[in-house]
Amino acid sequence: DAGITQSPRHKVTETGTPVTLRCHQTENHRYMYWYRQDPGHGLRLIHYSYGVKDTDKGEVSDGYSVSRSKTEDFLLTLESATSSQTSVYFCAISAGTWNEQFFGPGTRLTVL
Amino acid sequence: AQTVTQSQPEMSVQEAETVTLSCTYDTSESDYYLFWYKQPPSRQMILVIRQEAYKQQNATENRFSVNFQKAAKSFSLKISDSQLGDAAMYFCAYRRSNTGNQFYFGTGTSLTVIP
Repeated sequence: DAGITQSPRHKVTETGTPVTLRCHQTENHRYMYWYRQDPGHGLRLIHYSYGVKDTDKGEVSDGYSVSRSKTEDFLLTLESATSSQTSVYFCAISAGTWNEQFFGPGTRLTVL
Repeated sequence: AQTVTQSQPEMSVQEAETVTLSCTYDTSESDYYLFWYKQPPSRQMILVIRQEAYKQQNATENRFSVNFQKAAKSFSLKISDSQLGDAAMYFCAYRRSNTGNQFYFGTGTSLTVIP
């Protein structure tokens, strides 16, 4: 257990509303990631962070922003949610001898 | 971007039998890491097994083993003595050894175990 929690676990929202997902870790890991999982696409990287206030874009970053003001928290924001952002969102950290990734429980987001 | 391909969207196996899940990847690097993750219906992602590219010996973890063919860029997962609890989505993943830990995932293989 890498001590990763995500909130909320489920959310239903309407098109055009802002949404923020939170990832919290308890073990002071430097690297944190946000992925989305969609059928037929596997997991695709949205944004990642390599330290407080240090973030970078991933493969599918359009429509998403992130912030990391504390080591333990990594926030993912959808400024104006669209139906194409309906997905399951996973947070992950890098840890271990080989910097393997450990995942949070996921957040299911539905945009109506 | 790196490409990881899992060509079998769905597989099935009889309980107690052996099944092999395929994964190929595209890279020009000589050193890298490969992983298999399992995602049961609970949705939790669980690391199953890992392999470092410069090691010739195939990794083994209990009933799970890999067939790593570096020249062919192939990294298949073999599950022996399949159990009902092995039913899950399996993802192959790649990480370069000299970058900021970014992973690239395949699209997954859904494994059904038939009692």
